[in-house]
This record gives sequence, C-alpha cells and structure tokens, in this order.
Amino acid sequence: QITLKESGPTLVKPTQTLTLTCTFSGFSLSTSGVGVGWIRQPPGKALEWLALIYWNDDKRYSPSLKSRLTITKDTSKNQVVLTMTNMDPVDTATYYCAHRGWFGEFDYWGQGTLVTVSS
Amino acid sequence: QSALTQPASVSGSPGQSITISCTGTSSDVGGYNYVSWYQQHPGKAPKLMIYDVSKRPSGVSNRFSGSKSGNTASLTISGLQAEDEADYYCSSYTSSSTLFGGGTKLTVL
Repeated sequence: QITLKESGPTLVKPTQTLTLTCTFSGFSLSTSGVGVGWIRQPPGKALEWLALIYWNDDKRYSPSLKSRLTITKDTSKNQVVLTMTNMDPVDTATYYCAHRGWFGEFDYWGQGTLVTVSS
Repeated sequence: QSALTQPASVSGSPGQSITISCTGTSSDVGGYNYVSWYQQHPGKAPKLMIYDVSKRPSGVSNRFSGSKSGNTASLTISGLQAEDEADYYCSSYTSSSTLFGGGTKLTVL
C-alpha cells in the first residue's frame, strides 16, 4: 500500500525559504522508473505542477519557478524534500506530493499541507 | 508553457453523459499519449481517474472514459451520479515537465 504525507511549516514570512518534506511508504525511490512530484493549489484555484525527482536523481522543474525550487531525495529515509526560496503571499497554497506512475500520471497523493505566506 | 485549456464549468442531470475537453499543443497533449485526469472533491486531494489517455486505475468506475484527438483530450462521464459533482483536472506529460489544466467544475443538476 502506497502512502505519502507532506510536512513542514504552516506559516512562512515573505522572502523566507520554504522547506517541505514528503515521507512515503509502500515503494522505494531506488526502484527503476519511480518518481515523486510536488504539486500545489492556491485556495480556490487550479493545480500547478512544481517539480519531479526520479529514482536515478533526474530532476525536473516548472519553467516558471525553476530558479526558486530545489528537489532532493533521501532514499534511506523514504523522503523527498522540496525547497522554495523567496516566498511571497501568492505562494500561499496547499502543497501536495505524489507518486508518479509509469505513464506520467500521479497515482497516489498525500493529503496536502496548507502553507500560508504572511508577515 | 501554458496550462492546458479546460472549460470552467459543465453540468448535467443524473443519468446523462457529459464530456470535458482539455486542449493543449503538439508539444504536450498532441505529442504524447500520457494524458491523465483527476477528480477532486472539496477539501480533498485529487484522485486519479484516467491515465495514458484512456486507461482506468483499479477501482474507478467504467462510467469514466478518456480519449484523445490531435491536441485535445476528453473525459466522458456516463450515467451521471450526484457523487460525480467535483472539480476535474487534466494533465499531460511533456519532455521536460508536466502540465495541468485550469480545472472544470462539474455540477450535477
């Protein structure tokens, strides 16, 4: 059974760096083909893909946010970490991590964590 | 890269069928068969309903089906039920990223 759970601060100040951790079980990020992605959703708005990391440490980022994002993995801890620099109130959103399936789909999602950016 | 284009809202009565379109470009929807669809109820995480354009994950009702023609993918829900009322998002793999659509709110009248 695959599960994922996001953790991190619920409130960050403008200009600060956000660090979110996705802790998962039921699969290994050392297995060929496996990936974990981050997706966010501002209140009342659409989903936005942020970043993806593969089993071989290949990393992909949203072109519009690439300069602010870093995604890393700790295979031994079954964790994926996303950092986003220079946070702004427009970055207020629910942040989800998800398991990427073979066909590019996100087949298992975490419950999401709401991050509010405010001074 | 722009988000994929979906209608903001669609509606239908119980028992009817509805179709939600998702329009992209030859660099995303039209270039790959890696289109997926997600259902999201308020306050919940998205749920995968369709992947690889037309495949259904285990446990998803066969009332949900997907297709693609050129740069436009479609999600069809037949035999509408009250529980189908939700937001629906399409997504497409690209060579360098993943795109989501703007979402469609389905109202069951």
